[in-house]
Amino acid sequence: DAGVTQSPTHLIKTRGQHVTLRCSPISGHKSVSWYQQVLGQGPQFIFQYYEKEERGRGNFPDRFSARQFPNYSSELNVNALLLGDSALYLCASSFRGRFLPNQPQHFGDGTRLSIL
Amino acid sequence: DAKTTQPPSMDCAEGRAANLPCNHSTISGNEYVYWYRQIHSQGPQYIIHGLKNNETNEMASLIITEDRKSSTLILPHATLRDTAVYYCIVSLRNDMRFGAGTRLTVKP
Repeated sequence: DAGVTQSPTHLIKTRGQHVTLRCSPISGHKSVSWYQQVLGQGPQFIFQYYEKEERGRGNFPDRFSARQFPNYSSELNVNALLLGDSALYLCASSFRGRFLPNQPQHFGDGTRLSIL
Repeated sequence: DAKTTQPPSMDCAEGRAANLPCNHSTISGNEYVYWYRQIHSQGPQYIIHGLKNNETNEMASLIITEDRKSSTLILPHATLRDTAVYYCIVSLRNDMRFGAGTRLTVKP
């Protein structure tokens, strides 16, 4: 079975531009989360979506937004890019049901975003 | 902020058991303990999780103390491919707050 897939794998942008990153969850998973990982640090939680609704948000500015589609895929959008947004952006999916709220997340290999 | 404390680095000899500790003294009653690892330039890989009982799967064992304030991840026979950063996370609603993790180096 396919794991979590993210596109593109690498991306180069310049300051002030915007970017859209995409994620396809594991089949049957309805919850998608986004993380930012700066070099040398652990991943930092950005958003969680479940059943197309935002269920959690980390400490990131409003330049970061996301959405989840009816097929449970997701997009992360970042506007007005800054040099500090250079990072590995990770997507994770999980099977989250009413009686199974704590199923583990499974991660993709990320999109490496470089800002020039 | 992460609610766990892990040693920044550990070494282990190939073929020996690797025991990675984690302190989570402020864990609440419904929070689970999750372990992930990350090999350079890959996404984190799920290893194991538990609530209060010890757990074992094909990758590792998780030992949680009775008061749930600490846990240990055990890799029974470490190989060179187990060299990675290991993250211990406590979470209630599946929103993972990663710390800096433990960099495990398995040496021949």
